[in-house]
Amino acid sequence: QKEVEQNSGPLSVPEGAIASLNCTYSDRGSQSFFWYRQYSGKSPELIMSIYSNGDKEDGRFTAQLNKASQYVSLLIRDSQPSDSATYLCAVNMRYSSASKIIFGSGTRLSIRP
Amino acid sequence: GAVVSQHPSWVICKSGTSVKIECRSLDFQATTMFWYRQFPKQSLMLMATSNEGSKATYEQGVEKDKFLINHASLTLSTLTVTSAHPEDSSFYICSAGNRDGEKLFFGSGTQLSVL
Repeated sequence: QKEVEQNSGPLSVPEGAIASLNCTYSDRGSQSFFWYRQYSGKSPELIMSIYSNGDKEDGRFTAQLNKASQYVSLLIRDSQPSDSATYLCAVNMRYSSASKIIFGSGTRLSIRP
Repeated sequence: GAVVSQHPSWVICKSGTSVKIECRSLDFQATTMFWYRQFPKQSLMLMATSNEGSKATYEQGVEKDKFLINHASLTLSTLTVTSAHPEDSSFYICSAGNRDGEKLFFGSGTQLSVL
């Protein structure tokens, strides 16, 4: 099984600070990367997708991708208590017959007031 | 984003009964849908890929005779948990890909509790 790895946390960040979430993946051929947010008892919600090396910004969120290092990250600026959730890194991995989106185990983020 | 509807949201059943979960894509046609299972504090584990008009593709370790998947139309996939047991209690989530299959949009999930 090809892997997507994340630190499970919990990661505690003060309100207003920058939260940094990291993810590594094993399949060097992967081209599509996603960050999902999941609140307890709810299904995941897509936050960001990134396909090219570098940074991609959307509001308070910035995704960073480094394919050479097989590393993708998510930065959350001006963290709010409502950002407290589990963040799932997902990678579209190519298999012989099809591609599949594989999820990391998630990082629990807690924003403290 | 695309809308995926999943029903029911939660179900409690007795051991040995079968439970059907429906997943519908409301505003687009999904030739492929995915079924995931999530145990508490764990990540989503892909169970199977549901293909419209053909047999589902199951992941290793998932019993196809226990988890029956039917994808009869471009907007509906169903997962039936047959002869459910307490160890099948979990959060089941369906998803559908966008047009190019790159992004997943999730249903609201079904919390299954087997007594």
